[in-house]
Amino acid sequence: DVKVTQSSRYLVKRTGEKVFLECVQDMDHENMFWYRQDPGLGLRLIYFSYDVKMKEKGDIPEGYSVSREKKERFSLILESASTNQTSMYLCASRRSYEQYFGPGTRLTVT
Amino acid sequence: SQQGEEDPQALSIQEGENATMNCSYKTSINNLQWYRQNSGRGLVHLILIRSNEREKHSGRLRVTLDTSKKSSSLLITASRAADTASYFCATDPYDYKLSFGAGTTVTVRA
Repeated sequence: DVKVTQSSRYLVKRTGEKVFLECVQDMDHENMFWYRQDPGLGLRLIYFSYDVKMKEKGDIPEGYSVSREKKERFSLILESASTNQTSMYLCASRRSYEQYFGPGTRLTVT
Repeated sequence: SQQGEEDPQALSIQEGENATMNCSYKTSINNLQWYRQNSGRGLVHLILIRSNEREKHSGRLRVTLDTSKKSSSLLITASRAADTASYFCATDPYDYKLSFGAGTTVTVRA
């Protein structure tokens, strides 16, 4: 069974902290994605990776970076968290055309 | 960038009734997909329809696609309480990066 896991379901961080969100998939998928989801805005693509060490900016990459050192793991990094980064963060991996999502991390920055 | 727009934003129906939601998009697509999200969780892929298809069925789901009008609809027949969720359309514009709409929230009343 396909599985995408995210390191935390809920996270509370302070403004200015460095935040790491981890995502792991067990399906040997090459493509992985990070989205943020905000009410009324749907899902917006932050970054995606089409292979190990390969990454491409999505629609809203400002304030974020990513790391993909191993095929199964895709990390999202908030270098200096700000309150406007309070959101639900969703990771996904892709097989063929459909994407498989993790359960999400609800991040609150205070 | 966000491309799909769902309509209505919210829908409340009685158990056993059908639920219909629509999606409009702006540019050419390779395929269109529908996802479901239960409260506060990750998205689950429901169905994919290719640009050369007009209608597709999967269990109680029926999806139509009209590329001339750049629109799609999702019909859930004989709704159940477990169908209470948010539903998102996602367009794939040939580059594997899905563009999601803001979603339709469906509430099925017992």
